[in-house]
Amino acid sequence: EAGVTQSPTHLIKTRGQQATLRCSPISGHTSVYWYQQALGLGLQFLLWYDEGEERNRGNFPPRFSGRQFPNYSSELNVNALELEDSALYLCASSWGTGGSNQPQHFGDGTRLSIL
Amino acid sequence: GENVEQHPSTLSVQEGDSAVIKCTYSDSASNYFPWYKQELGKGPQLIIDIRSNVGEKKDQRIAVTLNKTAKHFSLHITETQPEDSAVYFCAGVNQAGTALIFGKGTTLSVSS
Repeated sequence: EAGVTQSPTHLIKTRGQQATLRCSPISGHTSVYWYQQALGLGLQFLLWYDEGEERNRGNFPPRFSGRQFPNYSSELNVNALELEDSALYLCASSWGTGGSNQPQHFGDGTRLSIL
Repeated sequence: GENVEQHPSTLSVQEGDSAVIKCTYSDSASNYFPWYKQELGKGPQLIIDIRSNVGEKKDQRIAVTLNKTAKHFSLHITETQPEDSAVYFCAGVNQAGTALIFGKGTTLSVSS
């Protein structure tokens, strides 16, 4: 069974640009979660999508947004990039029923570097 | 809101010893507690989880215990091996069940 896949592996941008990160969940999973893992800050919850709808967002500014497609894959968009957005962005997927009470399985992330 | 604290931040053991990592949570309504292992350059891997209706769960060399009254849960690794070296994260679910809240992580080093 294929796991959660994320692309690209690495992304280099400059301040003010926009970044798009992609995630394909495990087959059969309808929920997708996005997390930011910045150095020294641990894993911070960003967004949760289920059945194409945004169900919850963490304490991040509106320039962090995303969407979920009919095939349950997801995109994370970060606008007006700032230096502090440099981090590993992780995607996780789970069965939809039960929200975060369901086991979440992670991909290997996209390393976003802002110059 | 929910807060999860994890100790210690670093842990060094000799191969064959046991390792224990402890977490406390603030929201008494939390009922699901997963543990993740993250190796360098990889995403977190779910290694074991426990729900609030269970006090202990074991999977080979790994066990998790939960004390709901004291609001803490622990990961126990027995007979540690060098390949157990990684960063371990505990997590709890917020009251609404809409997000996982992670501890800050424990870097475990197992020397042979």
